[in-house]
Amino acid sequence: SQTIHQWPATLVQPVGSPLSLECTVEGTSNPNLYWYRQAAGRGLQLLFYSVGIGQISSEVPQNLSASRPQDRQFILSSKKLLLSDSGFYLCAWSRTGQRETQYFGPGTRLLVL
Amino acid sequence: AQSVTQPDIHITVSEGASLELRCNYSYGATPYLFWYVQSPGQGLQLLLKYFSGDTLVQGIKGFEAEFKRSQSSFNLRKPSVHWSDAAEYFCAVHPGGSYIPTFGRGTSLIVHP
Repeated sequence: SQTIHQWPATLVQPVGSPLSLECTVEGTSNPNLYWYRQAAGRGLQLLFYSVGIGQISSEVPQNLSASRPQDRQFILSSKKLLLSDSGFYLCAWSRTGQRETQYFGPGTRLLVL
Repeated sequence: AQSVTQPDIHITVSEGASLELRCNYSYGATPYLFWYVQSPGQGLQLLLKYFSGDTLVQGIKGFEAEFKRSQSSFNLRKPSVHWSDAAEYFCAVHPGGSYIPTFGRGTSLIVHP
């Protein structure tokens, strides 16, 4: 069976500091990978998705970037965090050929102070 | 572009009562439709999905949803709610062949004993 991991689970960072959130998927190969942000009381906003190693599509231009150094690893980064980057970050995956059905990780809560 | 409306921000029901959560979408064709559930501080879990065929879809945890093309709706139902069903519920629309879904803002379900 497939599992998806995210870490850290919780992170408190000062404004202007860098960020690195990691997501890994087990039990499948060549998944499509996604990063979402969920602000309080709102739905999910798709930030990035990737259909393969080194392939990143950005949906919302902002202070964040994503990378996919390995097939089942997806990293969300920032060089300098803003207060507005606070939120709940969710990673998700879908199978190649079944891209519409997405499976979500447990999430990372980020608080920027 | 597609859109999703979940008109109820909060819904309160008594344990054992029936439940219906509303979801309306806007899209030029029939999209793929999803319902997810999110417990506090957790990721999203897929409850059910509709791609085509029978318009009444059965999901996990005793949930079902009915696709009504004429009303552009995909409402989620459960005949008898349990206290453990208290959570946030999200409806999502996903155009076929796209990597990019659109999520509603969510409905928070409160269950009274």
